[in-house]
Amino acid sequence: EVQLLESGGDLVQPGGSLRLSCAASGFTFSSYATSWVRQAPGEGLEWVSGIGGSGATTFYGDSVKGRFTVSTDTFNNTLYLQMNSLRVEDTAVYYCVRMGRGYFDFWGQGALVTVSS
Amino acid sequence: QSALTQPASVSGSPGQSITISCTGTSSDVGSFNLVSWYQQHPGKAPKLMIYEVSQRPSGVSNRFSGSKSGNTASLTISGLQAEDEAVYYCCSYAGSGTYVFGIGTKVTVL
Repeated sequence: EVQLLESGGDLVQPGGSLRLSCAASGFTFSSYATSWVRQAPGEGLEWVSGIGGSGATTFYGDSVKGRFTVSTDTFNNTLYLQMNSLRVEDTAVYYCVRMGRGYFDFWGQGALVTVSS
Repeated sequence: QSALTQPASVSGSPGQSITISCTGTSSDVGSFNLVSWYQQHPGKAPKLMIYEVSQRPSGVSNRFSGSKSGNTASLTISGLQAEDEAVYYCCSYAGSGTYVFGIGTKVTVL
């Protein structure tokens, strides 16, 4: 059974940093691309970042480019999202998602990140 | 990247069919057959319903179908049921490894 378990969500001040983790199981982690998708309170979905199965290729949405860094640890089957220079508008539930060819087939339950002073 | 355009809400009676549109541009929906659709119930993670415009994942009811014409994709739900009441999001590959979601459509079963 595919499972994705996010952790690391927290309350952080504007300008601060936070790292999210996503522990993957039930599939060959290095064979799939993964992404982070976020959802602000009461709002829609926003694709944030993606990474190839090997970790060699990374992609970012315009709103986080230069502030967020995605990475993987294929030995421990874990996806990370390092978030720096956080803004109030980064407040959201962050979902870890496994990818197929151009789609998101398995989603974690999400980690809440709140940016507030 | 601007969000794909979807109607804010669509409603129908049980047993009826409804269609949700998803309009993008020639840079996303119009350029790639990589449109997917997601169902989200309150407080839950989204669930993949359609991928590659019209493909259904295993376990998804055949009451759900997808199509695309030009820059607009569509999701049709036939034989509407109470459990279909949810928010539906479309998503398209937008090139260079990036993706764009629609704003979401609230489906209400009357």
